[in-house]
Amino acid sequence: GAGVSQSPSNKVTEKGKDVELRCDPISGHTALYWYRQSLGQGLEFLIYFQGNSAPDKSGLPSDRFSAERTGGSVSTLTIQRTQQEDSAVYLCASSTAGRSTDTQYFGPGTRLTVL
Amino acid sequence: EDQVTQSPEALRLQEGESSSLNCSYTVSGLRGLFWYRQDPGKGPEFLFTLYSAGEEKEKERLKATLTKKESFLHITAPKPEDSATYLCAVQAGDYKLSFGAGTTVTVRA
Repeated sequence: GAGVSQSPSNKVTEKGKDVELRCDPISGHTALYWYRQSLGQGLEFLIYFQGNSAPDKSGLPSDRFSAERTGGSVSTLTIQRTQQEDSAVYLCASSTAGRSTDTQYFGPGTRLTVL
Repeated sequence: EDQVTQSPEALRLQEGESSSLNCSYTVSGLRGLFWYRQDPGKGPEFLFTLYSAGEEKEKERLKATLTKKESFLHITAPKPEDSATYLCAVQAGDYKLSFGAGTTVTVRA
């Protein structure tokens, strides 16, 4: 079966522009996560969706970042007024049900470069 | 706050030269410790989950072990295709994974 897919694979934007990153989780997975991987650093948790519950946004670094999940499937991460420090690889993961012992499966990521 | 430290940062091995990677962690109430492999330009690929001290898991040339303070990923007789960055992550109390910075392994033929 298909794994987690993300688009675009690469995005280059100018400082101050808005960007949208898309994630398609594994079919049947109800839990979806966004992480950010900056050069030389570990993955950083951003946001978590589980079914119809309110998302856990505790990892979002500023109010310029937002995410939504439509129909319990596809998710979009939006960064408004991008800054150079937003340059990173944004990774999406999904798991069966979001229980703490469920394995998170990752997509290939979107590499964002802010000029 | 959960802390995960991986060492060494980089490891260069000759094909067939076995070695170990270390992941030390400080968490309150470990629920699981995860190992992932990440190739350049790709997302992390799941390898193992360990839940309790003393547990061991194996897959091909890789073997992961867990104690109360650290985990080791042993690579036995590595091949060039084992070259990758190996990531360790811990989960404590909820669904968030806290990752280490990774160990980049290069295996020369």
